Amino acid sequence: SQTIHQWPATLVQPVGSPLSLECTVEGTSNPNLYWYRQAAGRGLQLLFYSVGIGQISSEVPQNLSASRPQDRQFILSSKKLLLSDSGFYLCAWRTPRAGGTGELFFGEGSRLTVL
Amino acid sequence: KNQVEQSPQSLIILEGKNCTLQCNYTVSPFSNLRWYKQDTGRGPVSLTIMTFSENTKSNGRYTATLDADTKQSSLHITASQLSDSASYICVVSAQVNTPLVFGKGTRLSVIA
Repeated sequence: SQTIHQWPATLVQPVGSPLSLECTVEGTSNPNLYWYRQAAGRGLQLLFYSVGIGQISSEVPQNLSASRPQDRQFILSSKKLLLSDSGFYLCAWRTPRAGGTGELFFGEGSRLTVL
Repeated sequence: KNQVEQSPQSLIILEGKNCTLQCNYTVSPFSNLRWYKQDTGRGPVSLTIMTFSENTKSNGRYTATLDADTKQSSLHITASQLSDSASYICVVSAQVNTPLVFGKGTRLSVIA
């Protein structure tokens, strides 16, 4: 069966510090991978998605970046965090079916607090 | 513009009671609609999926309906339990490779 792991679960970082959130998927090949951010009282905001190794699409311009060094590994990074980067970050995957209509499977999330 | 609107924003009900959550969407062309349950501090988990031709689908005490003509969906929870306390998110998928459209969710609190 497929599983998705995301870490760390909780992170408290000072403004200006770097960030690295990691996500790995097991039990499937060539998944579509996604990073979402969820702010309090707001819906999920798509940050990045990837359809293959080294292929990253950005939906929202900001000081975050994403990388996919391996087929089932997706990393969210920042060189210098801002206060506004605080939030709940969710990694997700789904099979690359035609039309991209398959179910999204989410990780457990990473709570980031920037002080 | 593709949008998903959910109501109510929050809801408090007594344990054992029923409730209905609403989702209106403007996503076109429509492919499917999913309801996700998100426990506090956890990732969302899919409850049901509704395609264009489906009017109703059940998953235990959860029953989802879809009216593709009016572009409305509802999620009915029967005999609520304390563990039903969560956010319920409506997510609509278009028929092309475009990002999913998420509602902001309904925060349900079931109290004893």
